[in-house]
Amino acid sequence: GESVGLHLPTLSVQEGDNSIINCAYSNSASDYFIWYKQESGKGPQFIIDIRSNMDKRQGQRVTVLLNKTVKHLSLQIAATQPGDSAVYFCAEPNQFYFGTGTSLTVIP
Amino acid sequence: NAGVMQNPRHLVRRRGQEARLRCSPMKGHSHVYWYRQLPEEGLKFMVYLQKENIIDESGMPKERFSAEFPKEGPSILRIQQVVRGDSAAYFCASSPRTVLANTGELFFGEGSRLTVL
Repeated sequence: GESVGLHLPTLSVQEGDNSIINCAYSNSASDYFIWYKQESGKGPQFIIDIRSNMDKRQGQRVTVLLNKTVKHLSLQIAATQPGDSAVYFCAEPNQFYFGTGTSLTVIP
Repeated sequence: NAGVMQNPRHLVRRRGQEARLRCSPMKGHSHVYWYRQLPEEGLKFMVYLQKENIIDESGMPKERFSAEFPKEGPSILRIQQVVRGDSAAYFCASSPRTVLANTGELFFGEGSRLTVL
């Protein structure tokens, strides 16, 4: 079936820098996406969501961008902190699918 | 308000034994989802249940695996005759309504880590 996938398995950033995590999807009918954060040894937690009628949505230090033309979304984390170190998944809830995940490591 | 509760958090079984993993959804949630996560891999959907009904089991292996969500009590993921390849973290999530309604997130438990010796 169609699924959501991630471009990069790992990402290392310096503390204080901005992080960008990318995600591609294949189902052009997908209209709702969620980003989750999974810390080591824990279950995934909701970060932010976006619907297809939006191109951008902002939260606290996080921004999600959606490009429906190329079926791509990204999660931007501003001023990355050590506590942001985790695996980040994009998910398309309608199909229950999660991407492989990007492991973000913040270097102090 | 307690979150999604999974138990046991860690389970060790020998090959051929049975594993039973339990999941109590958040209060007021009637939809439960089970996912499997292998080391260094993403979350793989297994099954979606509502009370007393299996809605989607397209991710469930055809043999040895079963799931239920009875009218009373937790959801159970049962793995019979476990093999080493079943070693993984099994996550349960719940939602108050179907995600097909585009209305929100899945609330995950902390997972049950199964080790098969």
